[in-house]
Amino acid sequence: GDSVTQTEGPVTLSEGTSLTVNCSYETKQYPTLFWYVQYPGEGPQLLFKVPKANEKGSNRGFEATYNKEATSFHLQKASVQESDSAVYYCALSDRGSSGNKLIFGIGTLLSVKP
Amino acid sequence: DAAVTQKPRYLIKMKGQEAEMKCIPEKGHTAVFWYQQKQSKELKFLIYFQNQQPLDQIDMVKERFSAVCPSSSLCSLGIRTCEAEDSALYLCSSSPLGGRQDTQYFGPGTRLLVL
Repeated sequence: GDSVTQTEGPVTLSEGTSLTVNCSYETKQYPTLFWYVQYPGEGPQLLFKVPKANEKGSNRGFEATYNKEATSFHLQKASVQESDSAVYYCALSDRGSSGNKLIFGIGTLLSVKP
Repeated sequence: DAAVTQKPRYLIKMKGQEAEMKCIPEKGHTAVFWYQQKQSKELKFLIYFQNQQPLDQIDMVKERFSAVCPSSSLCSLGIRTCEAEDSALYLCSSSPLGGRQDTQYFGPGTRLLVL
């Protein structure tokens, strides 16, 4: 079945340094790829999504390219801030018997020190 | 902004008791999903409703859970007999149409603790 593998955390960075969270996926479908972010006490919220291969998504300085050949969707940010501390989830839409549930990676806890 | 509501936020049950949690999806959304999240790890899909009809669910839900959407503005997820392994955060999400490119909007979750 479909699966998502991402960098295991926790990841601790200093403000102003760069971030890469690796994400790779397996599917026989043509999924949309998502990055969600979850803050303490809240549900996940969409960071951005990319429905088509070889396109890039971005939001709030974060970006990722849907690489169909490498089956990857790595999350990057050039300069992290303390407010970026959260759990980041890579996910793909999986067309099951009907509908499109999300298959999530294990999540990467990011802590940014001032 | 999207606003999926879940109640209660916290639920404590003894092993063997029944549990019920509710979700109010975003207005106008026709697709509702439930996920289970243990110890801040990955979200595990449980069940999917389209226009209030259950269209996809995992075996565990068929065997031990009860889930309904009696109206377009209310869904509920129940556990008939709680077990310790059911302790988790239960997240409800909704999306406009349930399509592959649709964004799912999540509520804050109901945290269940089974003692």
